[in-house]
Amino acid sequence: GAGVSQSPRYKVTKRGQDVALRCDPISGHVSLYWYRQALGQGPEFLTYFNYEAQQDKSGLPNDRFSAERPEGSISTLTIQRTEQRDSAMYRCASSLATGGFGEQFFGPGTRLTVL
Amino acid sequence: DAKTTQPNSMESNEEEPVHLPCNHSTISGTDYIHWYRQLPSQGPEYVIHGLTSNVNNRMASLAIAEDRKSSTLILHRATLRDAAVYYCILRDSSNSGYALNFGKGTSLLVTP
Repeated sequence: GAGVSQSPRYKVTKRGQDVALRCDPISGHVSLYWYRQALGQGPEFLTYFNYEAQQDKSGLPNDRFSAERPEGSISTLTIQRTEQRDSAMYRCASSLATGGFGEQFFGPGTRLTVL
Repeated sequence: DAKTTQPNSMESNEEEPVHLPCNHSTISGTDYIHWYRQLPSQGPEYVIHGLTSNVNNRMASLAIAEDRKSSTLILHRATLRDAAVYYCILRDSSNSGYALNFGKGTSLLVTP
């Protein structure tokens, strides 16, 4: 079956612009996670949804970052007024289990470059 | 949060077994030991997990020390496709241990 998909795969933007990154989880997966990965490092947790409820946003670096999952399926991570330090790979993952403890399936990521 | 310690890199010959160590001396009784790996240019993928007993699946085996302060991921016959970064991660089952704390992992090089 189809895995986690993310779009766009690559995004180049100018400093100060807003960007929206989309994640389409595996059908039926109730938990959804966003991570950010710098080059040569492991992914770092940003936020977690259980269905449409954002259960934890403690990993979001500042208030320019926000995420939503209004219907409990597709999620959007939005970065406002982008800065060069926001450049990274943004990864989405989903899992079948509620409560967020199950195996996480990762998407291919969105490579964000802020000029 | 309990942390894990892994070697930065390891090297193996193709078709030989590989033992990837992980130290977690501050592990709590409710922490599960999870392993994920990340192949080049791909997202991480689940490998295996366990609590106290050794575990086997089609990808690997997980050997857990009796005191649970260390564990070893075993790839029985390494192939070139196993070259990846391997992450040992503790997940707390007593609360919502949903965030995977990846750390830097072990970069495994497999040579023909």
